Amino acid sequence: GAVVSQHPSRVICKSGTSVKIECRSLDFQATTMFWYRQFPKKSLMLMATSNEGSKATYEQGVEKDKFLINHASLTLSTLTVTSAHPEDSSFYICSARDQGRGVTETQYFGPGTRLLVL
Amino acid sequence: AQSVSQHNHHVILSEAASLELGCNYSYGGTVNLFWYVQYPGQHLQLLLKYFSGDPLVKGIKGFEAEFIKSKFSFNLRKPSVQWSDTAEYFCAVNAPFSGGYNKLIFGAGTRLAVHP
Repeated sequence: GAVVSQHPSRVICKSGTSVKIECRSLDFQATTMFWYRQFPKKSLMLMATSNEGSKATYEQGVEKDKFLINHASLTLSTLTVTSAHPEDSSFYICSARDQGRGVTETQYFGPGTRLLVL
Repeated sequence: AQSVSQHNHHVILSEAASLELGCNYSYGGTVNLFWYVQYPGQHLQLLLKYFSGDPLVKGIKGFEAEFIKSKFSFNLRKPSVQWSDTAEYFCAVNAPFSGGYNKLIFGAGTRLAVHP
């Protein structure tokens, strides 16, 4: 099946610093990738839709200047949490849609990145 | 606004018991429906999906789900659970939203614990 990787799996940073998280589709091309945030014992909340070669589409309430998304190639999207604060601590998950399988809406998820801001 | 409701937040079963997890969605148009599973410490995995056709879909590990359009439901079932089914289960709906694109909306999840 389609595989999505994320790096790093875990990161601890100081308040005020920026953190970059990478999401890669390993064996397929993904025109569209998605970034989610999962709070403890809660469901996944869609943050933004990342489109290759164009600007990301952010969900209501998500600050685009805070969470910078870049989708520079068909296999890589990055999420940068700028000037991170403790309230940004969370589990960030990306997913990708396999365009090669036709117009399918199946998303494949990465293993997630746990961010802890001190 | 479109939403997905999972009725049970926590379910505790003994091995060999039957399982049914409820999922209802609020969207009147054509939808794609999914059940994902997240085992402890692991990432989300697709259990099964419904796009069209037979409303009874079979997935991996003996799971199945039935799409009932009139009830806006997509309940997950398994006749006999095992200890290894202990995980969190998420129902998700993919539907078109404003802006002309589809997005996946998740339910709150159901945490299943199976005791030997």
